[in-house]
Amino acid sequence: EAQVTQNPRYLITVTGKKLTVTCSQNMNHEYMSWYRQDPGLGLRQIYYSMNVEVTDKGDVPEGYKVSRKEKRNFPLILESPSPNQTSLYFCASSLGGAQPQHFGDGTRLSIL
Amino acid sequence: AQRVTQPEKLLSVFKGAPVELKCNYSYSGSPELFWYVQYSRQRLQLLLRHISRESIKGFTADLNKGETSFHLKKPFAQEEDSAMYYCALSGRGTSYGKLTFGQGTILTVHP
Repeated sequence: EAQVTQNPRYLITVTGKKLTVTCSQNMNHEYMSWYRQDPGLGLRQIYYSMNVEVTDKGDVPEGYKVSRKEKRNFPLILESPSPNQTSLYFCASSLGGAQPQHFGDGTRLSIL
Repeated sequence: AQRVTQPEKLLSVFKGAPVELKCNYSYSGSPELFWYVQYSRQRLQLLLRHISRESIKGFTADLNKGETSFHLKKPFAQEEDSAMYYCALSGRGTSYGKLTFGQGTILTVHP
């Protein structure tokens, strides 16, 4: 089944403790992207990647890192999480930047 | 900078009534526009895109470049249309790959 898989689905952690949210797709898509969803703000793009080793900032990249060493994986790294990064995070992939996105189920992060 | 505005946070209609979800955008060029939908406990999924000009689940959306709008319409709403709807814009050229979403509109269709 074609899908985008995120892990973990839920995580409660404390300020400053590094964490990684993994994202993997099995559709051989070149484009992958991370978003955060906050009430009243909709989805905001954090980072995106057009292909392996190519990443670019979205609208809200501060406090996040990404890497794209393999085509199928696009992990989101929070080196020193803070409470304002408490949010629902979505990973997505597509054939290209202007193509329809396939979304994962989301990861709910709570940073205390 | 590209921007998408969905002015209605909440929209309630009765079954069988027409529905229109508004989307306005700001972009210096010809954008790619999409509508995504998120049903309760389901993934965000594509509803339609402007270049395909097709109708999905009875919904249509027309790109109005003069008014910079991409409103989503359905002549007769159904209860199963209740969901969160997002309008999204994908840039071209130097902003290719950058995807901007609106704030979302929660549609509730009452029986």
